[in-house]
Amino acid sequence: AQRVTQPEKLLSVFKGAPVELKCNYSYSGSPELFWYVQYSRQRLQLLLRHISRESIKGFTADLNKGETSFHLKKPFAQEEDSAMYYCALASTSGNTPLVFGKGTRLSVIA
Amino acid sequence: EAQVTQNPRYLITVTGKKLTVTCSQNMNHEYMSWYRQDPGLGLRQIYYSMNVEVTDKGDVPEGYKVSRKEKRNFPLILESPSPNQTSLYFCASSLSGRHEAFFGQGTRLTVV
Repeated sequence: AQRVTQPEKLLSVFKGAPVELKCNYSYSGSPELFWYVQYSRQRLQLLLRHISRESIKGFTADLNKGETSFHLKKPFAQEEDSAMYYCALASTSGNTPLVFGKGTRLSVIA
Repeated sequence: EAQVTQNPRYLITVTGKKLTVTCSQNMNHEYMSWYRQDPGLGLRQIYYSMNVEVTDKGDVPEGYKVSRKEKRNFPLILESPSPNQTSLYFCASSLSGRHEAFFGQGTRLTVV
């Protein structure tokens, strides 16, 4: 069964500190993985996807198939990074629903 | 502008009074879905649709209905709302389950 686990409900860091939001997944094939972000009172939006290997707003995420992880990282947190972050997994075929983790709320303290 | 539009944004209703939340997308996406978002529980999928006239249950379908008569619209129907359906609801669409999902602005529903 497909499953996405985000072990931290809340992560608080100081401005300028490194950030790592953890995501582990369970899937038997080759997954497509995403990070979505939801700023206060806004809709969810795509932050990045592993296949594009790009850095958005200073965030990066590397797919580690051995550890079945897709952790989101940023070297220096900024106050505007405070938001809810969701890791999501799509199946190889794309014929099944996107599976979301429960989300991690990131709070960056000035 | 490419977008997913939900209406209404806010709704307060009474137990048992049928309601419909509309969702429309203008991107010609085949895949649409409904989620509810609750504190501590994250996003949970209610129903999804792979194409017109094709719908399937998600993780929490009880108490909800959907229809997909046209590609662009995917309304969520609560035939007899109850207080435990008080939540923030999001509609989303994408080309397929593998592509970026575009979300609506959300509908905050309160059932009293």
